[in-house]
Amino acid sequence: KAGVTQTPRYLIKTRGQQVTLSCSPISGHRSVSWYQQTPGQGLQFLFEYFSETQRNKGNFPGRFSGRQFSNSRSEMNVSTLELGDSALYLCASSLVTGSSEAFFGQGTRLTVV
Amino acid sequence: GEDVEQSLFLSVREGDSSVINCTYTDSSSTYLYWYKQEPGAGLQLLTYIFSNMDMKQDQRLTVLLNKKDKHLSLRIADTQTGDSAIYFCAERRNNDMRFGAGTRLTVKP
Repeated sequence: KAGVTQTPRYLIKTRGQQVTLSCSPISGHRSVSWYQQTPGQGLQFLFEYFSETQRNKGNFPGRFSGRQFSNSRSEMNVSTLELGDSALYLCASSLVTGSSEAFFGQGTRLTVV
Repeated sequence: GEDVEQSLFLSVREGDSSVINCTYTDSSSTYLYWYKQEPGAGLQLLTYIFSNMDMKQDQRLTVLLNKKDKHLSLRIADTQTGDSAIYFCAERRNNDMRFGAGTRLTVKP
């Protein structure tokens, strides 16, 4: 059974650009959550999607958005990139919203220059 | 800032037991978790405990939960050098998870 797959693993972008990150959850899992990890702020919740609907959103500006497709794959988009957006973006897969087990992918390391 | 608090560093000798502590704030949290992160990697789910339990054992790992004090601990028996990593405590509240800052465990041979 494949784990959570995030692509790409590494990304370098310049300020002002936009970026799209992808997450494929474990087969059969329908909930996908996104987190940002930085040395200064630690792990912070971005949003969660279940059945193609955003169920919960963290305290991030509107430049951060996401969506989920009918096959449960999710994408997150960051527009007008800032240097402070440099981080490891992690995606977590759960069977349903609020499930006991949440499995994380390897993450996408985004560097904004 | 985090609502979940952990000490930042712990150093033990190989073969000793490690105990990593965590306090959380939301008494309505349904599940509490321990994740392990190695350099350059994502988070690996080690174990979790439902909030109505007070202990869970899984091989070398023992989780203790004191709900009254909102205190969670992870004990690793017979700690090995491969256990060196950052350990995150997390609580699930509704539809999101809140993480501590992580405890860096160093295991000395």
